[in-house]
Amino acid sequence: DSGVTQTPKHLITATGQRVTLRCSPRSGDLSVYWYQQSLDQGLQFLIQYYNGEERAKGNILERFSAQQFPDLHSELNLSSLELGDSALYFCASSVALAGELFFGEGSRLTVL
Amino acid sequence: EDKVVQSPLSLVVHEGDTVTLNCSYEVTNFRSLLWYKQEKKAPTFLFMLTSSGIEKKSGRLSSILDKKELFSILNITATQTGDSAVYLCAVAGTSGSRLTFGEGTQLTVNP
Repeated sequence: DSGVTQTPKHLITATGQRVTLRCSPRSGDLSVYWYQQSLDQGLQFLIQYYNGEERAKGNILERFSAQQFPDLHSELNLSSLELGDSALYFCASSVALAGELFFGEGSRLTVL
Repeated sequence: EDKVVQSPLSLVVHEGDTVTLNCSYEVTNFRSLLWYKQEKKAPTFLFMLTSSGIEKKSGRLSSILDKKELFSILNITATQTGDSAVYLCAVAGTSGSRLTFGEGTQLTVNP
């Protein structure tokens, strides 16, 4: 158990819908990262927050947004969902801006 | 843009074999290289390497970094079926704190 908690574990929804994925980082970790892992691709970096502020952005679609709240938990919002958005979405956290990342178990999103 | 290439993409061996997984990278202002093991779900941390030529070891697993040639290897000796997993290599540069991952090597260890 890495100490990073993600909910929900599984989510099935329809195209055009909107979902919110939630992540609680390890106690004491200020940095939260979101990654997407599709079947035919590796882990793709989406976005990073540090102590409530956006720190780095990857190839995150405009339909996706995220935020980190004062209690350091983070949410990833995915809207106007398409079939291609089906993937495993991982949250990871780290103590500072760099170093080892600890991953949650992931949220598996299926868009039908 | 940072880039990580792992080889081979997949590997099938028998229990007891020794395997070497490769990772080459391009990164702006290299800071560290990390290895992760991914079984069913979450990647779990194995090693972080920052200095060239210094081997990190944990049981049957070891890894070394060559900053001049921009690559790292992960060795697993006396493989067991429990070593079957995807092994991910990632790099971090000082220009950003995020990790850029390779596609991974799918290792299958048969009894």
